[in-house]
Amino acid sequence: ELKVEQNPLFLSMQEGKNYTIYCNYSTTSDRLYWYRQDPGKSLESLFVLLSNGAVKQEGRLMASLDTKARLSTLHITAAVHDLSATYFCAVDPSGNTPLVFGKGTRLSVIA
Amino acid sequence: DTGVSQDPRHKITKRGQNVTFRCDPISEHNRLYWYRQTLGQGPEFLTYFQNEAQLEKSRLLSDRFSAERPKGSFSTLEIQRTEQGDSAMYLCASNRAGLGRGANVLTFGAGSRLTVL
Repeated sequence: ELKVEQNPLFLSMQEGKNYTIYCNYSTTSDRLYWYRQDPGKSLESLFVLLSNGAVKQEGRLMASLDTKARLSTLHITAAVHDLSATYFCAVDPSGNTPLVFGKGTRLSVIA
Repeated sequence: DTGVSQDPRHKITKRGQNVTFRCDPISEHNRLYWYRQTLGQGPEFLTYFQNEAQLEKSRLLSDRFSAERPKGSFSTLEIQRTEQGDSAMYLCASNRAGLGRGANVLTFGAGSRLTVL
């Protein structure tokens, strides 16, 4: 059974600082997705990573995938308050099958 | 296109009652998924459909839960004899399978929050 683990689960960071969220998964997969969820809202797709070494960037967020290490990272550069949300990674176990989600990382950016 | 719609957004019920949630996916999406999310957790897969066929059910889906997608468009999720442990956000998502790599990005609805008293 595929397990997806994120760490940290909670992250409080100061504006302007950098940090990385990690997503480890337990079985081979080359499809990984990052989602954002604001309080009381649904999930919004951020990044789709489809191969080993894939890197995607949008604004202050950059996601990467290392399929050999079964690891994805979400790097935050110079955090701003608007990035405060919960970030989930999700893995597709075998291609076009239901995604398995991690527990999420709740990010709070403080002044 | 109005995205994925779910109804009702909130439902409060007493233990033992039946509840039904409805999901209207994006019209050109042939796959529809149900997930459950509890506080502080990630979405947990319940079941999914391709067109009207139910392709997979999680073991989380006890026999009190039933889902249908009769015409391959909207779907309903019914919970019979609700229990307090059923309290959660029920999320619906959809996508279009068969477009090759990258086709598994799910578009989520706003969710239906269930509170069982």
